[in-house]
Amino acid sequence: AQKITQTQPGMFVQEKEAVTLDCTYDTSDPSYGLFWYKQPSSGEMIFLIYQGSYDQQNATEGRYSLNFQKARKSANLVISASQLGDSAMYFCAMREVTGNQFYFGTGTSLTVIP
Amino acid sequence: DVKVTQSSRYLVKRTGEKVFLECVQDMDHENMFWYRQDPGLGLRLIYFSYDVKMKEKGDIPEGYSVSREKKERFSLILESASTNQTSMYLCASSLEDSPLHFGNGTRLTVT
Repeated sequence: AQKITQTQPGMFVQEKEAVTLDCTYDTSDPSYGLFWYKQPSSGEMIFLIYQGSYDQQNATEGRYSLNFQKARKSANLVISASQLGDSAMYFCAMREVTGNQFYFGTGTSLTVIP
Repeated sequence: DVKVTQSSRYLVKRTGEKVFLECVQDMDHENMFWYRQDPGLGLRLIYFSYDVKMKEKGDIPEGYSVSREKKERFSLILESASTNQTSMYLCASSLEDSPLHFGNGTRLTVT
């Protein structure tokens, strides 16, 4: 079974609008971490935001926030006030405490339209 | 700032060649990882290492091996390169509870 599922291969958003990128995960570990990464066309992987499974509050980092719904096993990334520079691939990832591995989704390609 | 350096940005090799991809990190991280990235498949873990001389298979280890003789260096070896190993290869490192820090990737083409 897939550990991380991203169901949106491609998304478009108007500049200055907010956009939500979906991510669901599958684990039986009680303790895990959820991550989002951005990969621009240049190829480097940029860490954006982290949510721990025991964190009570949703994580936020500037224009990025993580909508964490534990019961639904979802960890959606919300980007507010989109900018042209936000156009990139976005990957959701999970780290389980046991096994020490990171699991990645297949990614969502976001295009910001001027 | 953590720096993860992959020795080559682009590499072209012939079928059957032995290929070495090198990765060095400068932050004393215990954990190091090799992923390959293909369109539509995301990042798939080949091997990872949580200590010197230790290695664990990931999801797609077939056709690859790794070496970690020093803490800062993690090498991926393609024993006999094949065309289906044409891909982007990403190295990453982390501490126990930290995010992954990635290198810039090596785009390998096997002809």
